[in-house]
Amino acid sequence: DTGVSQDPRHKITKRGQNVTFRCDPISEHNRLYWYRQTLGQGPEFLTYFQNEAQLEKSRLLSDRFSAERPKGSFSTLEIQRTEQGDSAMYLCASSLEVSGQPQHFGDGTRLSIL
Amino acid sequence: AQTVTQSQPEMSVQEAETVTLSCTYDTSESDYYLFWYKQPPSRQMILVIRQEAYKQQNATENRFSVNFQKAAKSFSLKISDSQLGDAAMYFCAYSPNSKWGGSNYKLTFGKGTLLTVNP
Repeated sequence: DTGVSQDPRHKITKRGQNVTFRCDPISEHNRLYWYRQTLGQGPEFLTYFQNEAQLEKSRLLSDRFSAERPKGSFSTLEIQRTEQGDSAMYLCASSLEVSGQPQHFGDGTRLSIL
Repeated sequence: AQTVTQSQPEMSVQEAETVTLSCTYDTSESDYYLFWYKQPPSRQMILVIRQEAYKQQNATENRFSVNFQKAAKSFSLKISDSQLGDAAMYFCAYSPNSKWGGSNYKLTFGKGTLLTVNP
């Protein structure tokens, strides 16, 4: 169990640029979640995958956001035409598809928009 | 929609003392899970303790225990014999429990309580 890994840890970009984050879940976990955490707040749900299928997206996920999980392994979260309000910590978590199973979180990717 | 409220933005405790963090939640469901997660300054969220709503017995994990009051929708965390390493942001979280496959077990978090441990 090597844990959930996220890359990069930090991303600084100019407004209007596109960014992509990667998440590698724990290998046997078929559920993968993305959350966004802003300063002073708890994480908020963005979207989740079961294997390669994206099953739900939050209203927080505007059409500038897209997430994929090809082959049901790693996942990417892309933000197009970044805006100041996108500055946040983006957290990835994975779990087994069993209710009550704890989600295991990565270190997150901190996005700063200049 | 489910909501989770942590009314204490910050708490402090002396090393070796006991501290209780509060959490209340709102849901119309009867079966669900509640969690306490710890987020140290390194930012990785770590599970502290988990409680299933249908279990009357309060969960305990070493120095960590909960006081689960289902009727009051209250779920507090007690940390005994506090240690310097307990200093972190603590989040209370809710997840639905469905008997059917394919459900979204997403977590709904509170805003967190920042715990400081004084030597």
